[in-house]
Amino acid sequence: QKEVEQDPGPLSVPEGAIVSLNCTYSNSAFQYFMWYRQYSRKGPELLMYTYSSGNKEDGRFTAQVDKSSKYISLFIRDSQPSDSATYLCAMSVGGGKLIFGQGTELSVKP
Amino acid sequence: DTAVSQTPKYLVTQMGNDKSIKCEQNLGHDTMYWYKQDSKKFLKIMFSYNNKELIINETVPNRFSPKSPDKAHLNLHINSLELGDSAVYFCASSLGDYNTDTQYFGPGTRLTVL
Repeated sequence: QKEVEQDPGPLSVPEGAIVSLNCTYSNSAFQYFMWYRQYSRKGPELLMYTYSSGNKEDGRFTAQVDKSSKYISLFIRDSQPSDSATYLCAMSVGGGKLIFGQGTELSVKP
Repeated sequence: DTAVSQTPKYLVTQMGNDKSIKCEQNLGHDTMYWYKQDSKKFLKIMFSYNNKELIINETVPNRFSPKSPDKAHLNLHINSLELGDSAVYFCASSLGDYNTDTQYFGPGTRLTVL
């Protein structure tokens, strides 16, 4: 069993929809939780970063961490075609070693 | 100005060959990383260096050898290439606080071994 599980999709939604992306993990020592966005043939870029349970909002994006359930989510409101990308969750116990989920491929249709 | 750059962008080579990938960052960061992304988009850390010192060395074959001539550069040399080495290799860098730092990724090097 992988330390971090993420449904690879693909996920296709109409423009304007609310998107929910999720990851589960098994290592209770994870303290730092991130979401990266990766456009096709590009490197990942950091979207959201949290280190505690709860919600964090940044524009149309909300990251949610539930450490008791070992579950993290990323919500995208009013999704746009430009949001079409692969979304990778990543976690760390510290020390710079990020453990990534497989990534969910999202397509937002106009 | 590209923050983290890699060369080459594409690399096609025969099994058994030796090849190198170069990475440079102009962000003034202290820590650099190499990641491998397989065909299923699974991204896995291979190595990290902090100020030219090896910090993370995951269980990768010893055919892979990172080299950091200075803290702005981290190169990856691969000996005796195998079919399974085909992947996209990403370099990344961060400021130096392992726990809270954002890791900035390069554009990737797509390696195809024939």
